Amino acid sequence: QQPVQSPQAVILREGEDAVINCSSSKALYSVHWYRQKHGEAPVFLMILLKGGEQKGHDKISASFNEKKQQSSLYLTASQLSYSGTYFCGTEPGNQFYFGTGTSLTVIP
Amino acid sequence: DARVTQTPRHKVTEMGQEVTMRCQPILGHNTVFWYRQTMMQGLELLAYFRNRAPLDDSGMPKDRFSAEMPDATLATLKIQPSEPRDSAVYFCASGNLQWGAGGYTFGSGTRLTVV
Repeated sequence: QQPVQSPQAVILREGEDAVINCSSSKALYSVHWYRQKHGEAPVFLMILLKGGEQKGHDKISASFNEKKQQSSLYLTASQLSYSGTYFCGTEPGNQFYFGTGTSLTVIP
Repeated sequence: DARVTQTPRHKVTEMGQEVTMRCQPILGHNTVFWYRQTMMQGLELLAYFRNRAPLDDSGMPKDRFSAEMPDATLATLKIQPSEPRDSAVYFCASGNLQWGAGGYTFGSGTRLTVV
C-alpha cells in the first residue's frame, strides 16, 4: 500500500531544479506532499485530489496523472531552505500512508 | 496559527515501565493519527481515528501498545511494558478529511528513549 518514491536521494546546487516522483500500483484516492527537516515534524505542502490536477505555490508545484497512480513534485530554482526529506502520502479510506521518502540536499 | 500539541517532548524511561504520550489535536479536526519514526523503519502508522473512533490500528503491537481518544481534545498512546526497540519519535497529526483541501498538521513529536 505504501507509495514508492524516486529518487531516494538527490543533491542539488542552489538554483537547480528537481523532480520527485511518487508511484503506486493502484489508483490513489489523493496525494499529499510533505517536507520534513532534520529533527522536525513533517510539514504539509499541498494535496491533489483529481486526476490531471496540477497545483503549486511559489517555486514548488505538483501534478497528479490522469490515472491517479503517479504524482510528481517539482522544485524550481532550489534554495538552501528546500533541503529536507520529502514524503508523498495517500489516504485510502481508514489509513494514511507515507511514501518511501526522498532526501533532498541543496548545497551552495 | 492553530497547532497540534504533544507532551512530553522528550521521555527517557527504563525497560518495563509504562509510557503515556498525549496529543491535543486542532479544534474541529475530525481525524487523528499516530505515527512512529525511526531511522531503520522510517514512518510507521500506528493508529488512525476519525470522529474519535479507532478505524485502524493494524500497525500497532497490540500486546503492549494502546491508543485512545477519551474526548475530542485528547488522544493518548500508551506503551506497557516499554522495550528498548520502542525508542523512536512518536508523532501525532490531525486534520479534517471532509474539508478536502487541507492536509494534516503534525505535532512536534515525543522523542522516546527506553534504556
